[in-house]
Amino acid sequence: QSALTQPRSVSGSPEQSVAISCTGTSSDVGGYNYVSWYQQHPGRAPKLMIYDVTKRPSGVHDRFSGSKSGNTASLTISGLQAEDEADYYCCSYAGSYTWVFGGGTKLTVL
Amino acid sequence: QVQLEEAGPGLVKPSETLSLTCGVSGYSISRGYYWGWIRQPPGKGLEWIGSLSQSGSSSNDWSLKSRVTISVDTSKNQFSLKLSSVTAADTAVYYCARHGEGTFDYWGEGTLVTVPS
Repeated sequence: QSALTQPRSVSGSPEQSVAISCTGTSSDVGGYNYVSWYQQHPGRAPKLMIYDVTKRPSGVHDRFSGSKSGNTASLTISGLQAEDEADYYCCSYAGSYTWVFGGGTKLTVL
Repeated sequence: QVQLEEAGPGLVKPSETLSLTCGVSGYSISRGYYWGWIRQPPGKGLEWIGSLSQSGSSSNDWSLKSRVTISVDTSKNQFSLKLSSVTAADTAVYYCARHGEGTFDYWGEGTLVTVPS
């Protein structure tokens, strides 16, 4: 499996919205509605933010939303806040009980 | 509350076998879900290593396939990772996690394993 493709970095000002893309293939992102997103602050374990493409776990703010079109999934963060500054990773089921992560995107809040 | 905790040596010599265990509390491994290992080399991204299903069958990344063994001890409610013939490229923070097809919902805090070059 090849890692899913994410932009290395994105940035936005407080209160703005940003979107992070995650591009795979028809064998992973495009083939299943099993994309998830994780937020990781330095030195911390990843935290689940979105699962099954669009679902939000209890406790995650509704400023975070997920979507998918074809082989590309996206995480949108609206109303950016300073604490959103972190690394974000997507993950997709890739069939045959295998999973693949994206390379990660560093979000900077200006 | 489901909690996972990795345990094992922080330093492994080249060519030897890395062995880690993941203790699970708050949920019985045999009830369901997959139980997986993910690693993160210093300054790099997350990499799925492999997972174990409730039935005990395992799967892993093809690039590591011949070196990875994942097993479960239901009596201790823990699962384990063995990675053989390690090199410096295997230096990483190793995480264990509970997951389904579309979500890795509970993670351990991670443990750094260093393989000197």
